[in-house]
Amino acid sequence: AQSVTQLGSHVSVSEGALVLLRCNYSSSVPPYLFWYVQYPNQGLQLLLKYTSAATLVKGINGFEAEFKKSETSFHLTKPSAHMSDAAEYFCAVRGSNYKLTFGKGTLLTVNP
Amino acid sequence: DGGITQSPKYLFRKEGQNVTLSCEQNLNHDAMYWYRQDPGQGLRLIYYSQIVNDFQKGDIAEGYSVSREKKESFPLTVTSAQKNPTAFYLCASSIASGSTDTQYFGPGTRLTVL
Repeated sequence: AQSVTQLGSHVSVSEGALVLLRCNYSSSVPPYLFWYVQYPNQGLQLLLKYTSAATLVKGINGFEAEFKKSETSFHLTKPSAHMSDAAEYFCAVRGSNYKLTFGKGTLLTVNP
Repeated sequence: DGGITQSPKYLFRKEGQNVTLSCEQNLNHDAMYWYRQDPGQGLRLIYYSQIVNDFQKGDIAEGYSVSREKKESFPLTVTSAQKNPTAFYLCASSIASGSTDTQYFGPGTRLTVL
């Protein structure tokens, strides 16, 4: 079985500041990891995914994430926050089966 | 445009009524999924289908039913047996159900049971 823990249900940053959203996973097999973003009352949009090809994964909108096996982490970062980044972010893991297990989400607020 | 359509966006029903949520995709994907989202709970898998005329229960299937008669369609029925049906429902699809396949999501339907 696999699980995901997102540390911090709400993260607030100033515009231009570093964004760091934390995700730790548990998986009995080599994991495949995903970050999705959700804007209010909308579906989820894929930001990036890790599929074992490279530990540093670059995604859309300037986001990237680094897979660290020793720390079982897949934290999402962006060097400089924009107002448009305000949304809810979900980390997900897929283990030995096709099923995605999602974290509970982190709401990102960007202050002007 | 290729994508996933969910209708309606907002749905209101009286307690005790069954209601069917629509999900259509024109991405030619084999696999389709239904998730339920509650505030602060992330997404939980209700049902999934890997191929036409076949589907399996997810983690919270009680009180829900689905059908998969066509590749592009995967409707979800919320029955009166579902004790707390008010939620945001998301449909997704992927090429297949392999480990690296990306799931693409529809815009969601917000169901409110009065």
